[in-house]
Amino acid sequence: KNQVEQSPQSLIILEGKNCTLQCNYTVSPFSNLRWYKQDTGRGPVSLTIMTFSENTKSNGRYTATLDADTKQSSLHITASQLSDSASYICVVGSSSNTGKLIFGQGTTLQVKP
Amino acid sequence: KAGVTQTPRYLIKTRGQQVTLSCSPISGHRSVSWYQQTPGQGLQFLFEYFSETQRNKGNFPGRFSGRQFSNSRSEMNVSTLELGDSALYLCASSLARRAGEAPLHFGNGTRLTVT
Repeated sequence: KNQVEQSPQSLIILEGKNCTLQCNYTVSPFSNLRWYKQDTGRGPVSLTIMTFSENTKSNGRYTATLDADTKQSSLHITASQLSDSASYICVVGSSSNTGKLIFGQGTTLQVKP
Repeated sequence: KAGVTQTPRYLIKTRGQQVTLSCSPISGHRSVSWYQQTPGQGLQFLFEYFSETQRNKGNFPGRFSGRQFSNSRSEMNVSTLELGDSALYLCASSLARRAGEAPLHFGNGTRLTVT
């Protein structure tokens, strides 16, 4: 069964600290993995998208890694800011003939001053 | 370039009524997909359209339907509303034929409350 599991479910950190969010998936056939940031009351915004051949991709203070062998991805946030408080959603794309996306439940990050 | 626009932003309906939500994709995007987001279930795929044709459908009852027009704008309809239909409904557009093949651009959603 195609699944995407994220951990932790929620996280509280102090402003300026780093943190890492995890995503494990069992999606086959695999096409790509995306990380989205969703602010409260807004739609998700794409942070990174990685294909099978990419193992790291950065977007400012956000760095995503992908290990296709272990089917794990992480999103590392450096020098967190209050504006990083949001939900982070891991999404895996399947290259099956339906081309479906499988969504994780998200990690809620709260950055405190 | 304007982003994905969803209307209305908020909606309150009564059980048994029906509702229509609208989505205008980014100019040039011909693929539109719809999602339901609830605190307990996260984001769940409803359906996907490309060039007025439904390409994929999620596991939702037939009360949920949608369509896409020749200008790529899309609507989704929910009939005989139930309390459990209360959710944030998100629309996303992309350049690719299927949502899984290219980055998705989401609107800010329609918050539907069923009382």
